[in-house]
Amino acid sequence: DADVTQTPRNRITKTGKRIMLECSQTKGHDRMYWYRQDPGLGLRLIYYSFDVKDINKGEISDGYSVSRQAQAKFSLSLESAIPNQTALYFCATSDSSGGAYNEQFFGPGTRLTVL
Amino acid sequence: TQLLEQSPQFLSIQEGENLTVYCNSSSVFSSLQWYRQEPGEGPVLLVTVVTGGEVKKLKRLTFQFGDARKDSSLHITAAQPGDTGLYLCAGEENDSWGKLQFGAGTQVVVTP
Repeated sequence: DADVTQTPRNRITKTGKRIMLECSQTKGHDRMYWYRQDPGLGLRLIYYSFDVKDINKGEISDGYSVSRQAQAKFSLSLESAIPNQTALYFCATSDSSGGAYNEQFFGPGTRLTVL
Repeated sequence: TQLLEQSPQFLSIQEGENLTVYCNSSSVFSSLQWYRQEPGEGPVLLVTVVTGGEVKKLKRLTFQFGDARKDSSLHITAAQPGDTGLYLCAGEENDSWGKLQFGAGTQVVVTP
């Protein structure tokens, strides 16, 4: 079974709709991240969380919100989706213990299309 | 503007040829990682380099971290079709503990 899972894998929605993307992990990692990937731009950080009570904005947080429901769960919401939020969305985890260099483990991604 | 610039953006080679991908920045990184991403999947970590001048080898892949810890390269010897993918470099700046900056990636295609 995958260590980092994302649901849904694909979603098509309309402008103005509220969308939630969910991420779960079984790795026991404390840190979780949400990225979006656009062609030619690489991965850009939306939000990140270092533990259940810690939520931080990344470089492109406008139009998004997150919730860390448990150490293993981190969800991303688009309150009112717009077409330029069409992208691939990835959840990632990392472990702050043991001297690790923030090596990240990614889920399989969610392809979101906003019409 | 990307903090990490990768070149080339796209590389198409024949099986058996060698290739090098570059990752450059004006910033200093405490560590730098290379990932490979295949279609429909998330990036997968290949290696982490942390010391200036460090060279790491992973079978036919050789990774080098620049002496000043501002740049890195990935060299593949005798490429195989299984090496096809998007190669991403990612760096952790000294004052951005816990966050990575990603390059835009280099798409490598190896044809039989």
